[in-house]
Amino acid sequence: QVQLVQSGAEVKKPGASVKVSCKASGYTFTGYYMHWVRQAPGRGLEWMGRINPIGGGTNYAQMFQGRVTLTRDTSISTAYMELDSLRSDDTAVYYCASESLYYKYGLDLWGQGTTVTVSS
Amino acid sequence: QSALTQPPSASGSPGQSVTISCTGTSSDVGGYNYVLWYQQHPGKAPKLMIYDVTKRPSGVPDRFSGSKSGNTASLTVSGLQAEDEADYYCSSYAGSNNWVFGGGTKLTVL
Repeated sequence: QVQLVQSGAEVKKPGASVKVSCKASGYTFTGYYMHWVRQAPGRGLEWMGRINPIGGGTNYAQMFQGRVTLTRDTSISTAYMELDSLRSDDTAVYYCASESLYYKYGLDLWGQGTTVTVSS
Repeated sequence: QSALTQPPSASGSPGQSVTISCTGTSSDVGGYNYVLWYQQHPGKAPKLMIYDVTKRPSGVPDRFSGSKSGNTASLTVSGLQAEDEADYYCSSYAGSNNWVFGGGTKLTVL
């Protein structure tokens, strides 16, 4: 079954870091860019960045530059998103999503989302 | 990179058509023919509905159509059905391997 399965919910204190994993199955992990998108409660979608699973090359949204790191482990078909210096407004659902080979720049396979709560 | 501008809400009766706009700049919507639309039901992950401004992925009903004029893209849902009630987000390539989303539009089927 083609799917992305993300790690479980996290509760962090301000200033801490969080690392969310996204395990791909049912398709060739190295064949598709992986994007990360977040959604704060009651808010819209926000693009964070993407990683090329083949070489590990990354692109980040300017607002997250210096605070987010995308990595991957091809041996276990898993992508990771680490966000540092957490603030209360980082409380959100974080999604991984793979970029389609067929629909230009379209994100057509999404993880179930990981809720990250930042609270003192 | 600023978010694309969408109206917060839209509505229509079953069978009617509704159009949702998405306004950006010449650096994103106006500069590339890479506008996408996503549908999101409450508590669910988004679903790709339109890519390349006008194209539908396999399985998306032809009631959904996209267009663009200048810096503004639009999504039209024809023959509204109850299951179309959802949030809709536009997205655009913004150059230099960056993407931007709109703020989202809540579509209500009356």
